[in-house]
Formats: sequence, structure tokens, C-alpha cells
Amino acid sequence: QKEVEQNSGPLSVPEGAIASLNCTYSDRGSQSFFWYRQYSGKSPELIMSIYSNGDKEDGRFTAQLNKASQYVSLLIRDSQPSDSATYLCAVKQGGSYQLTFGKGTKLSVIP
Amino acid sequence: DGGITQSPKYLFRKEGQNVTLSCEQNLNHDAMYWYRQDPGQGLRLIYYSQIVNDFQKGDIAEGYSVSREKKESFPLTVTSAQKNPTAFYLCASSRLADTSYNEQFFGPGTRLTVL
Repeated sequence: QKEVEQNSGPLSVPEGAIASLNCTYSDRGSQSFFWYRQYSGKSPELIMSIYSNGDKEDGRFTAQLNKASQYVSLLIRDSQPSDSATYLCAVKQGGSYQLTFGKGTKLSVIP
Repeated sequence: DGGITQSPKYLFRKEGQNVTLSCEQNLNHDAMYWYRQDPGQGLRLIYYSQIVNDFQKGDIAEGYSVSREKKESFPLTVTSAQKNPTAFYLCASSRLADTSYNEQFFGPGTRLTVL
């Protein structure tokens, strides 16, 4: 059974710090990895996707993928109170229709 | 503006009732999906459709039904056979269902409560 694990948190960081969110997955055949941000009561919003080993940067966000360790992470630099949300990790096997979601990590950025 | 719309935003169902949740997209996406989210849980796939007039069951299809008569529309019916339907229902779409670079985008969701 494919599993995606995330620390549920809450993860609290002070404003301006780096927030580090982690995700591990069980299926070695996974090829696509996504990070979604979900504010309370709202739907998930795609913020990053990564497909190959290494780092991918987009503004204050950096996604890191290590397929050998079956590990994907999201770094948020210069964290802002508006970054306070639940972050969902999603994993997709190559050629598959289905995303497997983790339960999410709740991030709280303290002003 | 391109996007995904879901209606209604809130829905209340009585015991034994069937209810239908609407999902429409104008992104010209081929694939559409229905997920269910319960508090503190990850999203779980109910049904998905890659093309018009074709759809497949996801992990938790029992008690639900769908149709895909138009590319833009993918309504979900929650039947009386679904014993625990109270949840947040999310519709998503993507350009193609079977490529590795397939990004899914979500609508605003419908919150269903059983009275």
C-alpha cells in the first residue's frame, strides 16, 4: 500500500525564519511530487511540483527531492504570518492517474 | 478567468436523501477528479475521469456515483448508500491523467453535512 508520511505538527517558526517541511513516501516507483498549501476551511492550492532529484526554487519556496532516500521537503524562506497553513505533500507514480496525499503539516508563523 | 467552480458551497442532507454536487471547469482539462477530505485526514480519491463518457472508481467509490457527459462537467452524486457522507468534497482537474507531469488543480470545495 502506497503511503505518504508527514509530521502533523504544528510546526511553529518565528517570522523571518526558514520553515522546513518534510515528507517521506513508500513507493519507489513514484516519479512526481507536489506540495499544496491549504488554508483553514479552503481548498488546496498547488505551490510546487518537482520531478527530478535535487532542488527546485520558486521565490521563497524551495522543494528538495531525494529519490534514493524516498524523501521530499519544502523550505520556506523569510516565513510570513500569511504562510500559516497546512501543507500537503502529494506523490504520483509515473503513468498513474492517482495522487496519494499525506495528512499534512500545520505550520504556524509567529509574528 | 479560467478555473474550477463547485456548487453549492454548503449542502445539508437528510438521512436517506441523494444529493448532487456540481463541478465545472473552463481550463480545457481532459481529466477530472473527486476527492473527499475528513478532519485531520489526507485527501482520498472517490472517482476520476480521463475522457467524456468514461470514469473509474477510486479508493472509496462505494455510495457515490458520477457522470461525464461533457468535458467541462463532472457532477458527483452522494447516495443514501453512503453511510458517513459528512465531509469536505473537492473537485480537481488536470490536463492529462496519465503523464508524470500531471498537475492537479482544485476547486473551492463543497462542505456536506448530514442532518
